Amino acid sequence: NAGVTQTPKFRVLKTGQSMTLLCAQDMNHEYMYWYRQDPGMGLRLIHYSVGEGTTAKGEVPDGYNVSRLKKQNFLLGLESAAPSQTSVYFCASSYSPGGHEQYFGPGTRLTVT
Amino acid sequence: EDKVVQSPLSLVVHEGDTVTLNCSYEVTNFRSLLWYKQEKKAPTFLFMLTSSGIEKKSGRLSSILDKKELSSILNITATQTGDSAIYLCAAPNQAGTALIFGKGTTLSVSS
Repeated sequence: NAGVTQTPKFRVLKTGQSMTLLCAQDMNHEYMYWYRQDPGMGLRLIHYSVGEGTTAKGEVPDGYNVSRLKKQNFLLGLESAAPSQTSVYFCASSYSPGGHEQYFGPGTRLTVT
Repeated sequence: EDKVVQSPLSLVVHEGDTVTLNCSYEVTNFRSLLWYKQEKKAPTFLFMLTSSGIEKKSGRLSSILDKKELSSILNITATQTGDSAIYLCAAPNQAGTALIFGKGTTLSVSS
């Protein structure tokens, strides 16, 4: 079992460019999440999904879009990157809603110049 | 608004010391409280505390939930350099659909 994987691991973008971060899990989890982590800010929820074909906004959704076309994949898109989106992005999944253990991917470090 | 607050935000101790990390929560419809450890990469799960399981222990780490005070503590005894990490506390939001994380406590253990 690979658990939760994320691609890419690192990326540098110029302001205004777009990109998609891919999260994949092989644990057959229904619930998937995208967080961003900035120094001193903990983990902040961007978007989440409670099942295939569903998505919902989290605490900091502006500037991001997501899609969950397949149960095992959760994509995070940045349509027009801004320097404020420089961060480390973590994907997580769980077999039941937020009250249970979430399994995290290794993270993607994104820099927007 | 649901929130989770951790203190202190950072802590430096010497190897062998005992430390206590704090987490307070204000969450409607409280279900559980979770502790994670984050070293260089992804957070890894430590404990989950609920109304029916208010105390957990694993080796030198232990955690207690105080539902009256709406708080939890994470204790680490006989600290080692390998305990250096960010410790995150989280609780499910009101709808139970996602976790709300505190800002974390950065623990540094010097040899």
